[in-house]
Amino acid sequence: NAGVTQTPKFQVLKTGQSMTLQCAQDMNHNSMYWYRQDPGMGLRLIYYSASEGTTDKGEVPNGYNVSRLNKREFSLRLESAAPSQTSVYFCASNGRTSSDTEAFFGQGTRLTVV
Amino acid sequence: QKEVEQNSGPLSVPEGAIASLNCTYSDRGSQSFFWYRQYSGKSPELIMSIYSNGDKEDGRFTAQLNKASQYVSLLIRDSQPSDSATYLCAVIGGSNYKLTFGKGTLLTVNP
Repeated sequence: NAGVTQTPKFQVLKTGQSMTLQCAQDMNHNSMYWYRQDPGMGLRLIYYSASEGTTDKGEVPNGYNVSRLNKREFSLRLESAAPSQTSVYFCASNGRTSSDTEAFFGQGTRLTVV
Repeated sequence: QKEVEQNSGPLSVPEGAIASLNCTYSDRGSQSFFWYRQYSGKSPELIMSIYSNGDKEDGRFTAQLNKASQYVSLLIRDSQPSDSATYLCAVIGGSNYKLTFGKGTLLTVNP
């Protein structure tokens, strides 16, 4: 049981390049999330998907797009990377068990835009 | 008003003491509440979740939820130096499934 898997773990992009961050969960969770974390700013929600087939903007969506490919996978795309998008990106998923609610994170992607 | 607010800290306690972390939230319809621990350079690690009023205990950790006061707390008993980390409170909103975080409280446990 891998939980939440993010790829890649590290990436360096040049300004204007594009890339897609991949996230997959194997816990049959309905909801998935993308966050960025910058020093002193906490975890800021970029986009989320409450269930398969839906996506919604979070606090800082500009410059990003997402795709909920199926129940397991939720990808984040940077179409034209900017230095301001240098950050650590986390994917998370949330779901209910028979007796509890849970939300787990992936290991993160450290992205540098030069 | 921010959606999720935590006592800003930093918080410092001696080894063996009880550490108390607090969080308030603005959405009265919020459904589920989470506490995470995050070590520097690592991803947040789920400590426990709670969705019913009252206390929930797991080992040295106790989460307390008071929906009327829109308040959730985490108590860490017998604090250890390895508990030194940033603690994050998170809330799932009532009308959507948006998972929103507070800015975190840095806890230092001194040997």
